[in-house]
Amino acid sequence: DVKVTQSSRYLVKRTGEKVFLECVQDMDHENMFWYRQDPGLGLRLIYFSYDVKMKEKGDIPEGYSVSREKKERFSLILESASTNQTSMYLCASSLFGPLIDQPQHFGDGTRLSIL
Amino acid sequence: AQTVTQSQPEMSVQEAETVTLSCTYDTSESDYYLFWYKQPPSRQMILVIRQEAYKQQNATENRFSVNFQKAAKSFSLKISDSQLGDAAMYFCAYSRIIQGAQKLVFGQGTRLTINP
Repeated sequence: DVKVTQSSRYLVKRTGEKVFLECVQDMDHENMFWYRQDPGLGLRLIYFSYDVKMKEKGDIPEGYSVSREKKERFSLILESASTNQTSMYLCASSLFGPLIDQPQHFGDGTRLSIL
Repeated sequence: AQTVTQSQPEMSVQEAETVTLSCTYDTSESDYYLFWYKQPPSRQMILVIRQEAYKQQNATENRFSVNFQKAAKSFSLKISDSQLGDAAMYFCAYSRIIQGAQKLVFGQGTRLTINP
């Protein structure tokens, strides 16, 4: 089974802090994703990466950046955390390829609170 | 841009009964996939079922089946013989390819409660 591991289940940070959310997958997947989940809005894509050092903006990239230095690890960075970034963050991974039925495999999520 | 709409924020059903969750989407593309994901209280998103747009036949997975109406852009999920373990948030998602990566667009979610 694919395992996607997010480093923290709960995280509390202060406004203005630089925050790192880490995600590791163990199935050699090329694609990795960061989503934000808010009540009534579903999941929204922040950034994704289809290869090491490659990244693409999703639908809501403002205030975030990402890093992918190794294939198995994808980091989400909040450069200067703000209260409106309090949310649930989900990481996912999938295989690369022309088949669009490659399902994404999700981690357990990090509930981030910015005080 | 593609959008996915789940118009039922909450649904409830008696154990062993059947429930249908609705989903509509908007797209101008002809080739795509649709998914239903389940998120139980443990929070991990689990793929329930998927449907290829070019296939007429509705997908089924044990107690889960879909009613895919391509012309109407509708993709509902039917859960038969509901069980307590089916209680979760259910998300409908549309898939398209960007840079070789499957990009998912999610609906708002429907919280399903199972009454014993």
